[in-house]
Amino acid sequence: KAGVTQTPRYLIKTRGQQVTLSCSPISGHRSVSWYQQTPGQGLQFLFEYFSETQRNKGNFPGRFSGRQFSNSRSEMNVSTLELGDSALYLCASSRGTGGVDTQYFGPGTRLTVL
Amino acid sequence: SQQGEEDPQALSIQEGENATMNCSYKTSINNLQWYRQNSGRGLVHLILIRSNEREKHSGRLRVTLDTSKKSSSLLITASRAADTASYFCAGSQGDYKLSFGAGTTVTVRA
Repeated sequence: KAGVTQTPRYLIKTRGQQVTLSCSPISGHRSVSWYQQTPGQGLQFLFEYFSETQRNKGNFPGRFSGRQFSNSRSEMNVSTLELGDSALYLCASSRGTGGVDTQYFGPGTRLTVL
Repeated sequence: SQQGEEDPQALSIQEGENATMNCSYKTSINNLQWYRQNSGRGLVHLILIRSNEREKHSGRLRVTLDTSKKSSSLLITASRAADTASYFCAGSQGDYKLSFGAGTTVTVRA
């Protein structure tokens, strides 16, 4: 069974640009959660999608948005990038909602904002 | 805000020794999960322990949960070089969001 895949793996952008990250969950999983990991703040929850609906949202500004498609694939978008958005962005999928079932993480997308 | 806080922040042990790390959390949880992360890569799920459970084992891993003290511990027995990683606890709150702690970095010396 294929694991969670994330594309791209590395990304370099400049301030003010926008970026879209993609996550393909494990087949049969309906929940996709996104996390931001930085050395200073650790792992921060961004949002969770379940069956195309945003189920939970963390404390991030509106520049961070996401969506989930009918095949459970998910995208995360960050607009008007800031230097502080440089981070490892991880997505995780689970069969049921993330806080109940085991979450399986992808390798992450490392975003660098210059 | 982070739900789990791991202690210690870093741990260095000799191969073959046991490693113990603790996690404290602030509010009631539905379950607590432990994850491992190798050097900036994705997280690997280790164990999920539900709020009505006190102890769980998986191979060389033993997790305890004390809901009265709002704390959990992860014990790795007979450590190996491959156990070198960061370990995170994550509490699932009422709305089922997972909130991670800052992690414990474990280094196993050969």
